[in-house]
Amino acid sequence: GQQVMQIPQYQHVQEGEDFTTYCNSSTTLSNIQWYKQRPGGHPVFLIQLVKSGEVKKQKRLTFQFGEAKKNSSLHITATQTTDVGTYFCAGNQRSQGNLIFGKGTKLSVKP
Amino acid sequence: DAGVTQSPTHLIKTRGQQVTLRCSPKSGHDTVSWYQQALGQGPQFIFQYYEEEERQRGNFPDRFSGHQFPNYSSELNVNALLLGDSALYLCASSLAGPFGTDTQYFGPGTRLTVL
Repeated sequence: GQQVMQIPQYQHVQEGEDFTTYCNSSTTLSNIQWYKQRPGGHPVFLIQLVKSGEVKKQKRLTFQFGEAKKNSSLHITATQTTDVGTYFCAGNQRSQGNLIFGKGTKLSVKP
Repeated sequence: DAGVTQSPTHLIKTRGQQVTLRCSPKSGHDTVSWYQQALGQGPQFIFQYYEEEERQRGNFPDRFSGHQFPNYSSELNVNALLLGDSALYLCASSLAGPFGTDTQYFGPGTRLTVL
């Protein structure tokens, strides 16, 4: 079945450093969604990418969807302690209503 | 405008018991999906309800069943609980057409512990 792989599993950075997490799907996706989950919290929707090669920015966060619609990345510039949490990508196949989540990348930021 | 709500927040059960979890979707949403999130893992899709019917199902045994009511709220039932059912159960709502691919908004979850 469809799988979504996400790397790295953990990332420890110094405040001010950049951070990137990568997501790869075994199949072509209709769209990809990114979520952030704070410790003890629930996934909070960040963004949805739909078009091949799409790039979207939210302040210090840059999201990219690959040309083949099988991979995606999230890049955070100049991390802050408020960025701490686990970032999940979740893929959606055409005609399928469910999201297939990656295992997430847990980001810790040292002040 | 209320977001997705779930009840209860926490629940402790023993092996073999049955449990019912509840979810009210975000106002205006008509589709409810349930996910199980084990510690340190990403959410795993259990099933999705649309128009009071199970539209899609993930790889979960029949012990997991659900229901959607005319007001779009939903229940997740788990029978014959196993230790491995201990997890955070998340409900997500969306406004979807036939294929339910719209953005999903998650509730705070129910933390189930099976002893």
